[in-house]
Amino acid sequence: AQTVTQSQPEMSVQEAETVTLSCTYDTSENNYYLFWYKQPPSRQMILVIRQEAYKQQNATENRFSVNFQKAAKSFSLKISDSQLGDTAMYFCAFTQTNTGNQFYFGTGTSLTVIP
Amino acid sequence: DAGVIQSPRHEVTEMGQEVTLRCKPISGHDYLFWYRQTMMRGLELLIYFNNNVPIDDSGMPEDRFSAKMPNASFSTLKIQPSEPRDSAVYFCASCFRDTDTEAFFGQGTRLTVV
Repeated sequence: AQTVTQSQPEMSVQEAETVTLSCTYDTSENNYYLFWYKQPPSRQMILVIRQEAYKQQNATENRFSVNFQKAAKSFSLKISDSQLGDTAMYFCAFTQTNTGNQFYFGTGTSLTVIP
Repeated sequence: DAGVIQSPRHEVTEMGQEVTLRCKPISGHDYLFWYRQTMMRGLELLIYFNNNVPIDDSGMPEDRFSAKMPNASFSTLKIQPSEPRDSAVYFCASCFRDTDTEAFFGQGTRLTVV
């Protein structure tokens, strides 16, 4: 069975500092996709960044980057120059297209950016 | 496109009443997912459809829950009868597997059963 684990229920970071959120997953497949979603208080689920498992290069989107370690099945999110608007729940998610096609989500990490 | 549209945004109902949640996926998307979010259990997949056909409903909690997708542009999630423990935020999401890898979410329906 596929699972996604986020071991940090809550984190905080000073504004302008860098923070890393952890995620591990479990799968026996070789081709899959990983995501980080952000859920602010508005509760809208917003895609932050995605990574294709077949790509060795880590994905980056402006201040957001990932550290994808396929062998270790680890997918952490680094937020640089944290801003107050980054305060939200962050969910790690996983999907694979050759079996099932559903998305599996972790339990989330609540991030607070402190002014 | 306006994105995934869910209605209502908020629903308050009395225990025992029937509740129907609605979802309009993004045009052209071939997968539709219903999730339930609670503090205790996080995001749970309830059911998902491919080309309007239910593929996996193993996440549906019990027979009081049912979901339909009569056409490519509309889906409903019905709870009958509703119970206080059904109180949660219900999300609908859609994607087009050939070109999209991520799921696009609606804004969710906050259901409160009193």
